Amino acid sequence: AQTVTQSQPEMSVQEAETVTLSCTYDTSENNYYLFWYKQPPSRQMILVIRQEAYKQQNATENRFSVNFQKAAKSFSLKISDSQLGDTAMYFCAFFRGSNYKLTFGKGTLLTVNP
Amino acid sequence: DSGVTQTPKHLITATGQRVTLRCSPRSGDLSVYWYQQSLDQGLQFLIQYYNGEERAKGNILERFSAQQFPDLHSELNLSSLELGDSALYFCASSPQSGGPQETQYFGPGTRLLVL
Repeated sequence: AQTVTQSQPEMSVQEAETVTLSCTYDTSENNYYLFWYKQPPSRQMILVIRQEAYKQQNATENRFSVNFQKAAKSFSLKISDSQLGDTAMYFCAFFRGSNYKLTFGKGTLLTVNP
Repeated sequence: DSGVTQTPKHLITATGQRVTLRCSPRSGDLSVYWYQQSLDQGLQFLIQYYNGEERAKGNILERFSAQQFPDLHSELNLSSLELGDSALYFCASSPQSGGPQETQYFGPGTRLLVL
């Protein structure tokens, strides 16, 4: 079974600074996808970034980037120039194409302070 | 606003009862997914429907069932409710049959409280 672990239940960062959220996963699969989702206080789930396991290059979306270490099964999210609107719960998720199932970690609550 | 709508927003009911949650996907999306988010279990995938047919199944209890109608809206039926079923239930939709290349767009959720 696939498991996704987010070891940091809560984090905080000052506005305009950089923060990194950690995620590790366990799988015997070779072909899979990893995601970071954001859940702000409104409870809406919003896709932040997607990484394909077969791609060596780390994904980047504006201020959000990942550090994907396949051998270490690590998938961290870096948020640069943090903004107040980044305050949210962040979920790391694993997708295995063979069963069309997204498996989520427990989440990291990020607070951006002014 | 993702374009996915869910009704009702809140639901309070008693143990042993049955409720129906409704989801309308984004216009044109063929797949609908249901997720349960609770404090102890976290966010769990329940089931996916694609164009009216069940496509994938996750940790869905036998007391729960879902369906997708010809107009592509979906309903999640929860029966013999227990206290532990209290959770936020999300619906999501995607354009085709699903897969990591498709973004899943989440609705605002239905908060269910079982007393």
